[in-house]
Amino acid sequence: DAMVIQNPRYQVTQFGKPVTLSCSQTLNHNVMYWYQQKSSQAPKLLFHYYDKDFNNEADTPDNFQSRRPNTSFCFLDIRSPGLGDAAMYLCATKGTATNEKLFFGSGTQLSVL
Amino acid sequence: AQSVTQPDIHITVSEGASLELRCNYSYGATPYLFWYVQSPGQGLQLLLKYFSGDTLVQGIKGFEAEFKRSQSSFNLRKPSVHWSDAAEYFCAEQTGNQFYFGTGTSLTVIP
Repeated sequence: DAMVIQNPRYQVTQFGKPVTLSCSQTLNHNVMYWYQQKSSQAPKLLFHYYDKDFNNEADTPDNFQSRRPNTSFCFLDIRSPGLGDAAMYLCATKGTATNEKLFFGSGTQLSVL
Repeated sequence: AQSVTQPDIHITVSEGASLELRCNYSYGATPYLFWYVQSPGQGLQLLLKYFSGDTLVQGIKGFEAEFKRSQSSFNLRKPSVHWSDAAEYFCAEQTGNQFYFGTGTSLTVIP
């Protein structure tokens, strides 16, 4: 059974048109992450939530925003997608103990036309 | 800032041969280290992790990794590779609640 679910699997948007990617989890984990992964590159941490506390990476562009309305859901909003934002976006979760692993969703592949 | 380096972008091995994927970390006297595997179009799956204790850790699918503080390395090994092991492999380091990944090594397995 899927525990971290990302929808949609594939998303196509237009240059400059806002887009939202969603992630839900059934693990009741406190920590949720958004990673951006471009082709043949490492997943790059954009930000993470510890409960409601939002933690932005210093080099994450302002164009990327996130919302976490409750424990189960987390959203990635790209306000004005550029061609360079085309990538796989991975959501992950983790419990609060230090030695807990990340659980990843299958990702959303974003294309920008 | 911490960084994780995977020197080998791509490795090709024959099925049944042994495998070693290299990883070097740069942060922390006691790092938390991980190896993940990613199949095409999928999320990442944890193979194994190291927090402390025995420097040789066993993982799933017959993988193991050895932590060597003197070399700042955490190399992944498998004695006999199967065709289904073809995938992208990522080394990662944890700092607090943040996980940072290396650039990955793509493994091709030939018959």
